[in-house]
Amino acid sequence: AQSVAQPEDQVNVAEGNPLTVKCTYSVSGNPYLFWYVQYPNRGLQFLLKYITGDNLVKGSYGFEAEFNKSQTSFHLKKPSALVSDSALYFCAVSKAGNMLTFGGGTRLMVKP
Amino acid sequence: NAGVTQTPKFQVLKTGQSMTLQCAQDMNHEYMSWYRQDPGMGLRLIHYSVGAGITDQGEVPNGYNVSRSTTEDFPLRLLSAAPSQTSVYFCASSYSGANTEAFFGQGTRLTVV
Repeated sequence: AQSVAQPEDQVNVAEGNPLTVKCTYSVSGNPYLFWYVQYPNRGLQFLLKYITGDNLVKGSYGFEAEFNKSQTSFHLKKPSALVSDSALYFCAVSKAGNMLTFGGGTRLMVKP
Repeated sequence: NAGVTQTPKFQVLKTGQSMTLQCAQDMNHEYMSWYRQDPGMGLRLIHYSVGAGITDQGEVPNGYNVSRSTTEDFPLRLLSAAPSQTSVYFCASSYSGANTEAFFGQGTRLTVV
């Protein structure tokens, strides 16, 4: 079975400060890892993914994530947060032959 | 670009009623799936399809039925609605399997009273 944990229900950060949204996963074999963002009353939008190769992946809107195999983590980061980054963020995992499994989501609040 | 289109956006049902949530995509994607979103639980997979004529169960399939007669359409049927099915439902499509990003519809907010 595959699973994802997002240990923080909410992350608060001031505008201009760096942000981190945490994600750990459990899957046998090589994982495929994703981050999605959800704005109010909208569907999920793809941010970035790790499939193979460089552990640091860059995505949309200045976000990046680092794959750490030994810690089974895939934390989402951004060097300088914007108020418009406030949203619900989901980490997801899959592997060959499987569909996506999502974490419970983390609400990011960026305050001016 | 329409992407993934879900209808209706909102629906209220009485317990025991049936209905179909519609999902259509115009990207010629082979993979389509249905998720439900409940507070604190993320998105849970209900049913999915890897191509026309092929469907399979996800994590929470009970009370739901699907079919895939065309590449474009993947309707979700609630057979006899129950209050536990009150949720937000999302349809998603992707080009291929596990290593490609999914595109999501805007969701259907369903309330069963």
